[in-house]
Amino acid sequence: ELKVEQNPLFLSMQEGKNYTIYCNYSTTSDRLYWYRQDPGKSLESLFVLLSNGAVKQEGRLMASLDTKARLSTLHITAAVHDLSATYFCAPRGQNFVFGPGTRLSVLP
Amino acid sequence: NAGVTQTPKFRVLKTGQSMTLLCAQDMNHEYMYWYRQDPGMGLRLIHYSVGEGTTAKGEVPDGYNVSRLKKQNFLLGLESAAPSQTSVYFCASSYPGTGYFGPGTRLTVT
Repeated sequence: ELKVEQNPLFLSMQEGKNYTIYCNYSTTSDRLYWYRQDPGKSLESLFVLLSNGAVKQEGRLMASLDTKARLSTLHITAAVHDLSATYFCAPRGQNFVFGPGTRLSVLP
Repeated sequence: NAGVTQTPKFRVLKTGQSMTLLCAQDMNHEYMYWYRQDPGMGLRLIHYSVGEGTTAKGEVPDGYNVSRLKKQNFLLGLESAAPSQTSVYFCASSYPGTGYFGPGTRLTVT
């Protein structure tokens, strides 16, 4: 059974700072997704990582995947307030299995 | 394209009542899913479908039933609602690549 952990669960950071969110999963998965959720809203797809060593970047967010270590990271560069949201990773087994989410708050 | 839509958006039920949530997608996706999200928690899979006429149980299927009679629709039923089913319900569909989520249904059972 695929289990997913995210670290940290809560993150409060100042604008302009860098930080990394970690996603560990328990069994083999050949692809992993990152989603963003704003309060009271649905989930928005950010990245899909399809192979070992995959790296995707969009603006201030960069995601990477190490399938051998069963680890994905979401790196935030020079955070801005608009990035405040909850971020979920979801490795794909037969289904999407979601981590608990990392609630990010970017303070001015 | 409307993407993934859910009906209704909000609902209040009394314990023991029944209801059906409708999910519709216009992307011709094979896979469809029902998740529930409780405060401060991630999403937990209730049931899913890998094609028209198929359904399968997810992580938390008890108290729910589903049907996929048409490819574009996935119905989630609560036969006898309980307060523990108070949650936000999200439907999603995929090809099976990226999952696209509906706006959610906020259900309160009193």
